[in-house]
Amino acid sequence: ELKVEQNPLFLSMQEGKNYTIYCNYSTTSDRLYWYRQDPGKSLESLFVLLSNGAVKQEGRLMASLDTKARLSTLHITAAVHDLSATYFCAVELASGTYKYIFGTGTRLKVLA
Amino acid sequence: DAGITQSPRHKVTETGTPVTLRCHQTENHRYMYWYRQDPGHGLRLIHYSYGVKDTDKGEVSDGYSVSRSKTEDFLLTLESATSSQTSVYFCAATQGALYNEQFFGPGTRLTVL
Repeated sequence: ELKVEQNPLFLSMQEGKNYTIYCNYSTTSDRLYWYRQDPGKSLESLFVLLSNGAVKQEGRLMASLDTKARLSTLHITAAVHDLSATYFCAVELASGTYKYIFGTGTRLKVLA
Repeated sequence: DAGITQSPRHKVTETGTPVTLRCHQTENHRYMYWYRQDPGHGLRLIHYSYGVKDTDKGEVSDGYSVSRSKTEDFLLTLESATSSQTSVYFCAATQGALYNEQFFGPGTRLTVL
């Protein structure tokens, strides 16, 4: 059974600080997705990582994928309050199935 | 949101009653999904569809059924609602192309009393 584990589950950080969210998964999938959810809202796509070594950056967020370690990271640089949200990673169950398993999410709060 | 709507957006119902949630998309996405979101569990897949009349179970499908008679509509039915089905339900869709990122609807908050 595919498991997708995120840590930490909760993260409170000061503005201007750096931090990393980790996403570990238990299959050989080479596709990993990051989503953001604001409180009371829906999910929106942040990054699509399609292969080992993939790195994507958008503003203060950078995501990477290591398929050999079955690990993805979401790095936050110089956090600002607007980044406060819940971040989910998701993995395709098996290549070509188009079924996705989500992690439990990391709730990030950036304090001014 | 890639043109995905859900109805109703909020519903309160009583235990034992049937409930149908509707998801409608305008982008001709091939794959559609129903998830439920509960505190501490993230999103869990209930059912998904890989084409008209083609559906499959997810990890928490007991007590739910789905139907997809048209590309644009995916219905989720709770045959006899229970309090454990109180949740926020999200519909999602993806084209099934290279990136396969899912686009999500706004969610339906369902309360079963």
